[in-house]
Amino acid sequence: GENVEQHPSTLSVQEGDSAVIKCTYSDSASNYFPWYKQELGKGPQLIIDIRSNVGEKKDQRIAVTLNKTAKHFSLHITETQPEDSAVYFCAASIGGIREGGSARQLTFGSGTQLTVLP
Amino acid sequence: DSGVTQTPKHLITATGQRVTLRCSPRSGDLSVYWYQQSLDQGLQFLIQYYNGEERAKGNILERFSAQQFPDLHSELNLSSLELGDSALYFCASSTGQGGKLFFGSGTQLSVL
Repeated sequence: GENVEQHPSTLSVQEGDSAVIKCTYSDSASNYFPWYKQELGKGPQLIIDIRSNVGEKKDQRIAVTLNKTAKHFSLHITETQPEDSAVYFCAASIGGIREGGSARQLTFGSGTQLTVLP
Repeated sequence: DSGVTQTPKHLITATGQRVTLRCSPRSGDLSVYWYQQSLDQGLQFLIQYYNGEERAKGNILERFSAQQFPDLHSELNLSSLELGDSALYFCASSTGQGGKLFFGSGTQLSVL
């Protein structure tokens, strides 16, 4: 089955600096790569996702890059703010993206505790 | 707020007991997924239902079962509970079988 490795497990940055979290996956058939942010006492919240037909996607201060050849993808957060402090999870899955597609079983990385220091 | 509702938020029970966790998906979502989150295992996929039918099984123990009802809410039943079953249990929903997943706030299960 799919295996997703995530690094680093903890990351501390100064407010305003950038943060980068990296993930690698094992199954070359994986075609969907979401990132989730989990705050204390809450469920994972989808913050950005990318599909295998795209190399990069950006949403304001957040961007994700995908290298299918190397089977790795990364989350980039620029101009970090204290409210960005949380645990971030990457995930990978094989599955359809349209109605009636196959089940989407997400395999998650182990998480990165990001701390933004004021 | 993701729109996925899970009850109860906290559950404390004893070994050997049986509990039921409930999930109401986002309005219009047909798929429901159950995940277990523990410190040593991370987020693990348990099972998925789509419009009342089981679609995929992950690392779900035989002591655990789930179902999705005609109104699309889902229940996860955990029986013969062991200390190691203590974890956060999340429900997620999506519009179809392959759509984006939105998670509820979870049920914290403590088995004493």
